[in-house]
Amino acid sequence: KAGVTQTPRYLIKTRGQQVTLSCSPISGHRSVSWYQQTPGQGLQFLFEYFSETQRNKGNFPGRFSGRQFSNSRSEMNVSTLELGDSALYLCASSLDIVNYQNTQYFGPGTRLTVL
Amino acid sequence: GENVEQHPSTLSVQEGDSAVIKCTYSDSASNYFPWYKQELGKGPQLIIDIRSNVGEKKDQRIAVTLNKTAKHFSLHITETQPEDSAVYFCAARERFGAGTRLTVKP
Repeated sequence: KAGVTQTPRYLIKTRGQQVTLSCSPISGHRSVSWYQQTPGQGLQFLFEYFSETQRNKGNFPGRFSGRQFSNSRSEMNVSTLELGDSALYLCASSLDIVNYQNTQYFGPGTRLTVL
Repeated sequence: GENVEQHPSTLSVQEGDSAVIKCTYSDSASNYFPWYKQELGKGPQLIIDIRSNVGEKKDQRIAVTLNKTAKHFSLHITETQPEDSAVYFCAARERFGAGTRLTVKP
């Protein structure tokens, strides 16, 4: 089975721009979660989608949004980019993450640099 | 919500020695505890996990123990090898520990 794929792998943007990142989960996985990883804050949960519905959301401003399509592929969008948004954005998929009982499989991440 | 603390933040051992990383969690409803290994330029990869109805789980050189009463769980790596060098994360629910950078010296 192919693993979780994320595109693009690297991205450079300037402050004020917006960006869209894409994630394709493992075939058959319906839950997709997004995380932001920075040296200072570690791995922080952004949101989780299941069957096109956002089920859980972390403590991030409204500039961070996401969606999930009927084929379970997911996108996240960051608007009005700030320097502090520079990070590795990780996507993880799972069969279903209810009660966080199922294994999450991570993609390689998208490295976003905001100049 | 859940809060996860992980110690130590860095750990250096000689090849062949054992390494132990500890995590504590706050939410007694948490019942699944994975450990991930992250190598440079890659996403975290699951190396072992444990569910709350089990106290210990072992997979070759890697073991995880869980103490539900004390709300802590630990990763044990025996006979460490240089390729074990990486950052290790524990997790409970959507929360991750801050990570432990393990260096195994040849």
